[in-house]
Amino acid sequence: AQSVAQPEDQVNVAEGNPLTVKCTYSVSGNPYLFWYVQYPNRGLQFLLKYITGDNLVKGSYGFEAEFNKSQTSFHLKKPSALVSDSALYFCAVRDWGGSQGNLIFGKGTKLSVKP
Amino acid sequence: SAVISQKPSRDICQRGTSLTIQCQVDSQVTMMFWYRQQPGQSLTLIATANQGSEATYESGFVIDKFPISRPNLTFSTLTVSNMSPEDSSIYLCSVDGQGGNEKLFFGSGTQLSVL
Repeated sequence: AQSVAQPEDQVNVAEGNPLTVKCTYSVSGNPYLFWYVQYPNRGLQFLLKYITGDNLVKGSYGFEAEFNKSQTSFHLKKPSALVSDSALYFCAVRDWGGSQGNLIFGKGTKLSVKP
Repeated sequence: SAVISQKPSRDICQRGTSLTIQCQVDSQVTMMFWYRQQPGQSLTLIATANQGSEATYESGFVIDKFPISRPNLTFSTLTVSNMSPEDSSIYLCSVDGQGGNEKLFFGSGTQLSVL
């Protein structure tokens, strides 16, 4: 079965510092990996995806993620964090074998960026 | 991209009553997904709704509790029936991206509180 794991419940970063939010995956076949962000009282917003191609994927708001097949990881990164990046971040994998392509989500990581 | 309108955005309901959540998409989509996000938790798929067929429910979710309608390619409803406080969650609808985007678009969610 497809799954993703986010080992950290919360990540704390000072504004201006680089940030990393970790995600590892377990899939059969080629992984379709995603990062979404959820701000308070809002739905999920798409940040970036990896389907194929370059292992370094660039997304919205200056975020990027690196696909590492040998480590089965897809960590989200940003070189310089902003206070406005504080939100809940979800890693997800597309499950083509299950319910017709729904997303399976990690538990989420709360990112807190302090001034 | 797909723009999703979901309503109500929030509601407070009494135990034993039912609430119907509507999801309207600005384009025709084949598959619509309904997710539940319990407080402090990740997203869990409730069911997949295809137009012209019965919704497919995930383990732990049943049609009597969460009846779904999908009358056309741009609209779906999810009803939360005979509510109890345990049903207090955010409910989100989601649709497949068009043109092979491989990503899902999400509505802004319905915050449900059951007293």
